[in-house]
Amino acid sequence: KQEVTQIPAALSVPEGENLVLNCSFTDSAIYNLQWFRQDPGKGLTSLLLIQSSQREQTSGRLNASLDKSSGRSTLYIAASQPGDSATYLCAYIGSSNTGKLIFGQGTTLQVKP
Amino acid sequence: ETGVTQTPRHLVMGMTNKKSLKCEQHLGHNAMYWYKQSAKKPLELMFVYNFKEQTENNSVPSRFSPECPNSSHLFLHLHTLQPEDSALYLCASRQHPSGSSYEQYFGPGTRLTVT
Repeated sequence: KQEVTQIPAALSVPEGENLVLNCSFTDSAIYNLQWFRQDPGKGLTSLLLIQSSQREQTSGRLNASLDKSSGRSTLYIAASQPGDSATYLCAYIGSSNTGKLIFGQGTTLQVKP
Repeated sequence: ETGVTQTPRHLVMGMTNKKSLKCEQHLGHNAMYWYKQSAKKPLELMFVYNFKEQTENNSVPSRFSPECPNSSHLFLHLHTLQPEDSALYLCASRQHPSGSSYEQYFGPGTRLTVT
């Protein structure tokens, strides 16, 4: 069964902290993995995409890593800001590459001023 | 703005109504998707269209009927829904890959409430 687990489910930190969000998946063969941000009641914004041949991707204060052998990905957020408060979703496409994203339930982050 | 628009943004309908959700992408993509996001559950895929052809139906009840008239537009026709169908319905698109991995871009969603 294809499953994605995100830990923790919720996180509250003071502004300025560096933090790590975790994602684990059951498929050993994935096509790519995406991290998304979702604000309350809104759609998804793609943050980073890591292809199966890559180990990490960086965009600004965000860094995502991928370890296929252990079935894990992490999203590192440096110097967190109140505007980073949102739900962060991890999703992957399996090796058949039909485009079907398998999502985790997300980590809800609150960054307090 | 992601280049994917959805209308309406909010919809309240009775169980006997018929309504349609619309999605349009302005990105030149050729694959489009419907996802459902219910409270307390992960986002789940409903339908996939590649080059206007439905390539995946994720065991969705027949009261949901998709339509893809061209690569830029995707509809979800709704009839005789149940209260448990209340959810956020998200549309996404991407370039169907030919050896490359492309990101999926999501619309803002339609918040559906079935009364």
